[in-house]
Amino acid sequence: DAKTTQPPSMDCAEGRAANLPCNHSTISGNEYVYWYRQIHSQGPQYIIHGLKNNETNEMASLIITEDRKSSTLILPHATLRDTAVYYCIVSLGGGADGLTFGKGTHLIIQP
Amino acid sequence: EAGVAQSPRYKIIEKRQSVAFWCNPISGHATLYWYQQILGQGPKLLIQFQNNGVVDDSQLPKDRFSAERLKGVDSTLKIQPAKLEDSAVYLCASSLGSFHPNSYEQYFGPGTRLTVT
Repeated sequence: DAKTTQPPSMDCAEGRAANLPCNHSTISGNEYVYWYRQIHSQGPQYIIHGLKNNETNEMASLIITEDRKSSTLILPHATLRDTAVYYCIVSLGGGADGLTFGKGTHLIIQP
Repeated sequence: EAGVAQSPRYKIIEKRQSVAFWCNPISGHATLYWYQQILGQGPKLLIQFQNNGVVDDSQLPKDRFSAERLKGVDSTLKIQPAKLEDSAVYLCASSLGSFHPNSYEQYFGPGTRLTVT
């Protein structure tokens, strides 16, 4: 079973920041938080991952709370192409272990 | 860089028939995964290969599903005989593998949509 809890759906206006929350209260000390997204009829796509520190790349920012029990994925300027299902995943090694997906959050960007 | 290739993209079969899916991972990727995604759910890992060896097949229904990765490159997933509940998208993914220091990302193919009638 997935070790994460996410809201089933969220709306965000185009051009605004989209903040997607994730709870992972049972995360172990050596487990990473990964975010993937799945656009309709495509395979999942890696977005970002982190262990303790906040991370930023060209796609998004990841904010992890100090106790590591929750995190937030931030898409700074959402566009219509960001409409997708976003999955928060806890894993020891995302490039070496199978991923356990939950149902994710369906993010809908409104024009 | 070419992505993960899968074929066919769509397949419709009747229950009790057999079907096979093919996956070609990204060149140089040691680890290959097969996931099953039922409509409305997240992908579920079926089997993981490291080169041509099986790392994890604990969620593979072995009475009807089989998979192989001969020569550690391409892989085939087979279902025989198919049931109605096997209707799903079958996703293949690859990664550099556990022995690579920069391995953190899985790259997914477009999937094969299977409909069992």
